[in-house]
Amino acid sequence: EAGVVQSPRYKIIEKKQPVAFWCNPISGHNTLYWYLQNLGQGPELLIRYENEEAVDDSQLPKDRFSAERLKGVDSTLKIQPAELGDSAVYLCASSLGRASATQYFGPGTRLTVL
Amino acid sequence: DQQVKQNSPSLSVQEGRISILNCDYTNSMFDYFLWYKKYPAEGPTFLISISSIKDKNEDGRFTVFLNKSAKHLSLHIVPSQPGDSAVYFCAASYEGAQKLVFGQGTRLTINP
Repeated sequence: EAGVVQSPRYKIIEKKQPVAFWCNPISGHNTLYWYLQNLGQGPELLIRYENEEAVDDSQLPKDRFSAERLKGVDSTLKIQPAELGDSAVYLCASSLGRASATQYFGPGTRLTVL
Repeated sequence: DQQVKQNSPSLSVQEGRISILNCDYTNSMFDYFLWYKKYPAEGPTFLISISSIKDKNEDGRFTVFLNKSAKHLSLHIVPSQPGDSAVYFCAASYEGAQKLVFGQGTRLTINP
C-alpha cells in the first residue's frame, strides 16, 4: 500500500515569493493534516481536514498561509508571501479519523527561504 | 505551554543493551499516546501506541509503559540495534481532539 506522498521534497525560494506544497494521503484516509516542523522541535499542527472540510485551522497563520483539499483527497498548502521565518519542514499526514488516532506521515517538504 | 516534554535531547546506548526513552505530559485529558521514529530527510514513522486503559503495550523489541498517576510514559527497546539510531518523538491525543501533540524529540544513537 502506498504511503503519504508529498512534493516537492525540497524548495528554495527568495522571501516574498509564493510557494505551494502538495500532498496525496493514503487511500481511504478521510482525515488529512498539515504540520510544521522547526529544527529541533516536534511537528506542530497547522490544519486538519475531515474530507474536504477544514475542521481545525486555529494554528494556521491566515494572513499568509492558505490550504485547500478539493474533492476530499489531495491537498495543497500555500504560503504567500514567504518570510525568512517560514524556513522549516512541512509535513502532511493522514489517518482514518475517528476510527483510529494513528497518523501516518509523508516524507515532508523542506522549505528554505533566502 | 509545552504539554508533552521529552527532557533528554539525546541518548547514547551500546548495541545489545536496553534503550529507555522518556516522555512526560501535563494534560490529564490525554488518553492515547504514540511513539514515532524519524530518520534524517524522512517523515516520522509510527512505531507503537498505548491507550490510557492500559499500562503496557509490547511489539517485538519495543515496549511502551504508561504511568498515568505520574503522567509519564517510556519506550523500551531491547536489544538495541544500530538501525534504531534515529530521533524518537512521543505524541499524545485525547478523544474527540484527533490532534497529536508532540514532544521535542530524543536523538538515540546506538554504538557498535
